[in-house]
Amino acid sequence: EVQLLESGGGLVQPGGSLRLSCAASGFTFSTYAMSWVRQAPGKGLEWVSAIDGSGGSTYYTDSVKGRFTISRANSRNTLYLQMNSLRADDTAVYYCARWGSSTLFYDCWGQGTLVTVSS
Amino acid sequence: ETVLTQSPATLSLSPGERATLSCRASQSVSSYLAWYQQKPGQAPRLLIYDASNRATGIPARFSGSGSGTDFTLTISSLEPEDFAVYYCQQRSHWPRTFGQGTKLEIK
Repeated sequence: EVQLLESGGGLVQPGGSLRLSCAASGFTFSTYAMSWVRQAPGKGLEWVSAIDGSGGSTYYTDSVKGRFTISRANSRNTLYLQMNSLRADDTAVYYCARWGSSTLFYDCWGQGTLVTVSS
Repeated sequence: ETVLTQSPATLSLSPGERATLSCRASQSVSSYLAWYQQKPGQAPRLLIYDASNRATGIPARFSGSGSGTDFTLTISSLEPEDFAVYYCQQRSHWPRTFGQGTKLEIK
């Protein structure tokens, strides 16, 4: 069974840092591009970042460029999101999502991890 | 950035009725558009990809159409489990973007 399990969320002060992890299982992790998508409380979905299967190409939405870094450890079947200089408007549930090789859209999602940025 | 505008924001219908949801892109995304369903407390689920292809396990009552800048998700006869929020998303341009969502509620 294909599974994605996020961890690492929590309460952090403005300006602080947090690293999210997403453990993948049930598929050949290294052959899939992956992404992070977030959802602020009561709001819609916002695409955050993406990385190709090898980790050689990364993409970010403008609001997180220079602050967030996406990476992956294929030997550990794990996706990461390093978040620095956090702001109140980064507060959201962060989902990791698999980019489907046949659909070329997000065909599998984790359950999400909540990040709260507040003093 | 490609802005996706969904309408209406809220759609109130009864089970058995037909639902028509719209997504308009600020520039052409060809056919590279998907639809997702999200229920409260759950992650989104892929319904339709590349405008008109149903994802694995998605019932035939869900269909998608459109190309360029105008897209439609149709649910032919609403089941109780279909009441949820629906999002469109494009993969034609970076950054990938989502629409703001349409809430389908029970009338």
